[in-house]
Amino acid sequence: QKEVEQDPGPLSVPEGAIVSLNCTYSNSAFQYFMWYRQYSRKGPELLMYTYSSGNKEDGRFTAQVDKSSKYISLFIRDSQPSDSATYLCAMRGPSADFGNEKLTFGTGTRLTIIP
Amino acid sequence: NAGVTQTPKFQVLKTGQSMTLQCAQDMNHEYMSWYRQDPGMGLRLIHYSVGAGITDQGEVPNGYNVSRSTTEDFPLRLLSAAPSQTSVYFCASRRWKGNTGELFFGEGSRLTVL
Repeated sequence: QKEVEQDPGPLSVPEGAIVSLNCTYSNSAFQYFMWYRQYSRKGPELLMYTYSSGNKEDGRFTAQVDKSSKYISLFIRDSQPSDSATYLCAMRGPSADFGNEKLTFGTGTRLTIIP
Repeated sequence: NAGVTQTPKFQVLKTGQSMTLQCAQDMNHEYMSWYRQDPGMGLRLIHYSVGAGITDQGEVPNGYNVSRSTTEDFPLRLLSAAPSQTSVYFCASRRWKGNTGELFFGEGSRLTVL
């Protein structure tokens, strides 16, 4: 079983819809949770970052973490064609030496917003 | 501000050939790393470095070699290319200590081994 599971999609929704992307994980030591966005033929870029449980909002994007269920979500409101990309979740545990802690990535969900 | 620069962007090799993927960053980041991205497998860590002269293995290090002689550069060497090394390779860097954990990625190097 992979440490991080992510539905690969693909997911297609009409413009303006609310999108929900999800990841589950098995390692209870994970404390830092991230969402990266990757456009076609580009490198991933950090979209959202959260620590421990709770919600974090940034414009049309909301990241949600439920540590009790080992489940994280990314919500996109009023989705736009420019949101079409692959979304990767990533997470890591604490470390006394923050320098070399490793990120564990999900496989990514490919999202297409249809105009 | 270039960020993380990878070269070449595309490369085709024959089985058994060797080559080096170059990575340079201009953000003075101590931490640099190499990932490979394959369909259904996600991003997997190959090697990483926390500073000049210091390197360590990641999840899938076999068949790859790295060195870190300067803060800016972190080349990845394929010693004897195999078809299983056909992949997209990403170099990423970040500050040594920082709770955001934000990795800055290059645009990738697409490698095909025939």
